[in-house]
Amino acid sequence: EVQLVESGGGLVQPGGSLRLSCAASGISFPEYEMNWVRQAPGKGLEWISFITGPATTMYYADSVKGRFTISRDNARDSLYLQMNSLRTEDTAIYYCTRGRDNWYFDLWGRGTLVTVSS
Amino acid sequence: DIRMTQSPSSLSASVGDTVTITCQASQDIMNYLNWYQQKSGEAPKLLISDASSLETGVPLRFSGSGSGTHFSFTISSLQPEDFATYYCQQFDNVPLTFGGGTKVEIK
Repeated sequence: EVQLVESGGGLVQPGGSLRLSCAASGISFPEYEMNWVRQAPGKGLEWISFITGPATTMYYADSVKGRFTISRDNARDSLYLQMNSLRTEDTAIYYCTRGRDNWYFDLWGRGTLVTVSS
Repeated sequence: DIRMTQSPSSLSASVGDTVTITCQASQDIMNYLNWYQQKSGEAPKLLISDASSLETGVPLRFSGSGSGTHFSFTISSLQPEDFATYYCQQFDNVPLTFGGGTKVEIK
């Protein structure tokens, strides 16, 4: 089955860290660029990070630059998001999404909820 | 950053109606625009790419048009399963940016 499954979300205190994972199945994972997109409760979509198939290029939104790191393990068909120095405004559902031809987000996971609160 | 202004933010319509959503970019993005549908509690779904190309399997009642800074998205003959929130997204420049969304509700 073609799917993306996120994990690793949860409750964390401000200033804390969390590592999200996204497991891909049914796709040729190394061939695709991947992205993380988040959605704060009741709000719209915010793109936060991109990584190429061979992990040679990464981009970040200014809101997470210097705090979040995107990475991937093509041998494990997995995408990661290391989140440090978390803030209350990082509270959101985090989706991993496949970028067909870079920027067409044609496959999404169900998301994982990150709550930053004391 | 390119700002995407989507309007209206919400609308009420009846089954069978035709609805149109607009998206304005703060600078020329050619046709580097996608449209997504998000139903409550679900992940977004890509409907239209490159401003007007319908994704495989998406019903023909969905359409998109525009280029440069002004874009529109139309649902002809609204169906019960179309009640959702719709987002435009530009990919001309990083950071990618989304419009604020349009919630299509049942009248």
